[in-house]
Amino acid sequence: KAGVTQTPRYLIKTRGQQVTLSCSPISGHRSVSWYQQTPGQGLQFLFEYFSETQRNKGNFPGRFSGRQFSNSRSEMNVSTLELGDSALYLCASSLVGGHSYEQYFGPGTRLTVT
Amino acid sequence: TQLLEQSPQFLSIQEGENLTVYCNSSSVFSSLQWYRQEPGEGPVLLVTVVTGGEVKKLKRLTFQFGDARKDSSLHITAAQPGDTGLYLCAGNSGNQFYFGTGTSLTVIP
Repeated sequence: KAGVTQTPRYLIKTRGQQVTLSCSPISGHRSVSWYQQTPGQGLQFLFEYFSETQRNKGNFPGRFSGRQFSNSRSEMNVSTLELGDSALYLCASSLVGGHSYEQYFGPGTRLTVT
Repeated sequence: TQLLEQSPQFLSIQEGENLTVYCNSSSVFSSLQWYRQEPGEGPVLLVTVVTGGEVKKLKRLTFQFGDARKDSSLHITAAQPGDTGLYLCAGNSGNQFYFGTGTSLTVIP
C-alpha cells in the first residue's frame, strides 16, 4: 500500500506571495491533518479534514487554510507569506475509528520564504 | 504551553549504552503514540499504547504507558547509531492530536 505523498517536496517563495501544498493520503484513509514544524516551536497542529469538512483547527491565523476533496486528497494554502512561515509542512492521514487514532506522515514540504 | 513535555530535550550517548526518554502531561490521553523522525522526513510511527500500565516491546525499544494514562516512557537498550533521530510522543485528547516537545537522540559509534 502506497504511503502518504506530498508535493512539492521543496518550495521557495517570496514574502507576500501565496502557496498551495498538496497531500495524497493512504488509500482508504479519510482523515488528513496538517502540521507545521519549526526548530523553535516543534510540531504544531494546523487543521484536520474528514469527509471534505474541517473537523479541528489549531491556533493559526486565517492566512492558513485548507480543503479536502471527495477522494480524500487535501490541499493547504498559505496567503500573504511571511518570513516566519518558513517551515516543514507535514501532512498525516489516519483511519477513523477505534481509539488509537494513529497517524501516518508524508515526507513533508520544505517551504522557504525569502 | 505544551500539553506533552518530553525529557531530556537532547541526548548524546555512546553506542551500546541504554537510555530512557520521558513524556509527561497533566492531561489524560486515550492513547499515546511514539514516533521517530529523521532529518528532512516525516515522523514514522513506532508504537501505540492504549491501556494504562501497558508495556510494549519493539526489538531493543520498550514503551510503557503510565497507569493513569498521563505519561509514557521509551527505553532503548544497547543503542545503535541507527537509533539516532528525533523521538516524539503524541496523543489524542478530546478531538485533537498533540505532539510532545521532542527528544533529539544522537548515538555515537
